[in-house]
Amino acid sequence: AQSVAQPEDQVNVAEGNPLTVKCTYSVSGNPYLFWYVQYPNRGLQFLLKYITGDNLVKGSYGFEAEFNKSQTSFHLKKPSALVSDSALYFCAVRDDMNNRKLIWGLGTSLAVNP
Amino acid sequence: GAVVSQHPSRVICKSGTSVKIECRSLDFQATTMFWYRQFPKQSLMLMATSNEGSKATYEQGVEKDKFLINHASLTLSTLTVTSAHPEDSSFYICSARVGTDLNQPQHFGDGTRLSIL
Repeated sequence: AQSVAQPEDQVNVAEGNPLTVKCTYSVSGNPYLFWYVQYPNRGLQFLLKYITGDNLVKGSYGFEAEFNKSQTSFHLKKPSALVSDSALYFCAVRDDMNNRKLIWGLGTSLAVNP
Repeated sequence: GAVVSQHPSRVICKSGTSVKIECRSLDFQATTMFWYRQFPKQSLMLMATSNEGSKATYEQGVEKDKFLINHASLTLSTLTVTSAHPEDSSFYICSARVGTDLNQPQHFGDGTRLSIL
């Protein structure tokens, strides 16, 4: 069965430090992976996706993510965190054997402290 | 580009009222729209997939007669919560995908916070 895990409910990081938000997945076929961000009382905004090609994907607002097939992971990273990055981050996966809908992680709340 | 507008942003009403939420794609045509429900500090729960000109596909456990979905045009889908009760209080979010490529990202509205008294 398809699944996505975001093992950390909350991540705290100091402004200016690098940040990582973790995501691991389990699918039957080839994974298509997405990261979204949600600010309070708002809908989600698309950050980046991995479909095929380079394992390192660059997205919006300076975020990037690395697809690691052997570890079935797709961690979100940013070299230098901003206070404005504080939000809820969701990882989602779709696979090519069950392509109707995205499977969503439970979300990770990122707090960047000044 | 790819803006999705959701209205209203907040609804407070009495138990037994029916509430309609609109989701519009402003600058693109959306063959497929999605309706989600989000509880506090929880992930998104897909309720249904709305296809223009056809019946919505509901996820298991979602009552079709309770949550009526209409997708009458390529830019508008509506969700009607019929005879709403306090347990229906939640944050409802719609999204739309540009085109038919399943790998295109979904574009989300800003959500509707529904509070049933």
